[in-house]
Amino acid sequence: DAGVTQSPTHLIKTRGQQVTLRCSPKSGHDTVSWYQQALGQGPQFIFQYYEEEERQRGNFPDRFSGHQFPNYSSELNVNALLLGDSALYLCASTVLTRDTQYFGPGTRLTVL
Amino acid sequence: AQTVTQSQPEMSVQEAETVTLSCTYDTSESDYYLFWYKQPPSRQMILVIRQEAYKQQNATENRFSVNFQKAAKSFSLKISDSQLGDAAMYFCASYGVNYKLTFGKGTLLTVNP
Repeated sequence: DAGVTQSPTHLIKTRGQQVTLRCSPKSGHDTVSWYQQALGQGPQFIFQYYEEEERQRGNFPDRFSGHQFPNYSSELNVNALLLGDSALYLCASTVLTRDTQYFGPGTRLTVL
Repeated sequence: AQTVTQSQPEMSVQEAETVTLSCTYDTSESDYYLFWYKQPPSRQMILVIRQEAYKQQNATENRFSVNFQKAAKSFSLKISDSQLGDAAMYFCASYGVNYKLTFGKGTLLTVNP
């Protein structure tokens, strides 16, 4: 039973560029959430996708957008990258009717 | 809005001893869940234990147990017979009807041999 997977593992970008991160949920899960974890901090909720729609959004600017595909996998897009976007980006999946979110290994984004 | 506070930035314990990590939370919701996650240096967030707020019985998972005090909005984690592999950052988190996990700032646990 495959867990949550994320790609790529690491990514280096420069300011102003755009980036796409990918996530495949755990088998049987239909809901994907994205979190940003800055160094030394707890994860911060970005948004959640269910049935290919954004269901809930945290306090992040519109530069952060996402998508969910029919197979429940998801992408996180960040435009006009800032130095402050450097962080570990975590994807978590769950089944809508349940509460426990299972996390992927994360993508470490460095913005230079 | 939900908030989660972990007042202990760092804790240490001797191998085989017991340690308790503290967490307090604030929520206006009546139906919510509480979690402890572990994040080792690999940065993979691993679920340790969960507690449904409507259950009075404290959750246990092998060497891990919680002390859930709903009126006091307190949710501490006890690790018994600590092992070297328990060394990690531990995050307390709450989950409510707004579909998002709200995390505390974490407690770094060191296990001394």
